[in-house]
Amino acid sequence: QVTLNESGPALVKPTQTLTLTCTFSGFSLSTTGMRVSWIRQPPGKALEWLARIDWDDDKFYSPSLKTRLTISKDTSKNQVLLTLTNMDPVDTATYYCARMGDPKYWYFDLWGRGTLVTVSS
Amino acid sequence: EIVMTQSPATLSVFPGTRATLFCRASQSVSSYLAWYQQKPGQAPRLLIYGASTRATGIPARFSGSGSRTDFSLTISSLQSEDFAVYYCQQYDDWPYTFGQGTKLEIK
Repeated sequence: QVTLNESGPALVKPTQTLTLTCTFSGFSLSTTGMRVSWIRQPPGKALEWLARIDWDDDKFYSPSLKTRLTISKDTSKNQVLLTLTNMDPVDTATYYCARMGDPKYWYFDLWGRGTLVTVSS
Repeated sequence: EIVMTQSPATLSVFPGTRATLFCRASQSVSSYLAWYQQKPGQAPRLLIYGASTRATGIPARFSGSGSRTDFSLTISSLQSEDFAVYYCQQYDDWPYTFGQGTKLEIK
């Protein structure tokens, strides 16, 4: 059974750096063609893709957030990390990690339950 | 960046009837289009990929069609559990982009 679970602080202050962890099971990010992405959703709003990391450590970022985002993986721990610097109240959102399990295509076949991050002083 | 536009924003329908939701891309995405269902407090669930292929475990009452810029999702006979928000997403190129969602509500 494939599961993904996001973890991290529920509250961060403006200008701080957010670090989130996606811990997954049921698949390996060392498998050729496997990818994991981070996606966020502000309260009551639409989904926004943030970043992707591939089995071969290729990384892709949303152009609008590229200067603030870093994605990394620890294959031995089955974890993907996301850091977002210089947090602002507009970054308040539920942050999801999602598997991209189809080696040919880039849709999100399985999602974690998400973690709500509030940015406030 | 490819902009995805969904319509209508809200669709009110009776249970047991058919609903059709629409998604338009600002440029061709071929058939690289996915649909997701999201219920309150839950993560999105993949329904359709490749514009028309149902994901594992998705009932046959869900069907997708379209190509290039115009797509639709049809739910043939609405069940109570189908009332939710639906999002389309293009994966022709990154950044992957989502529509703003269509809320399907009970009439």
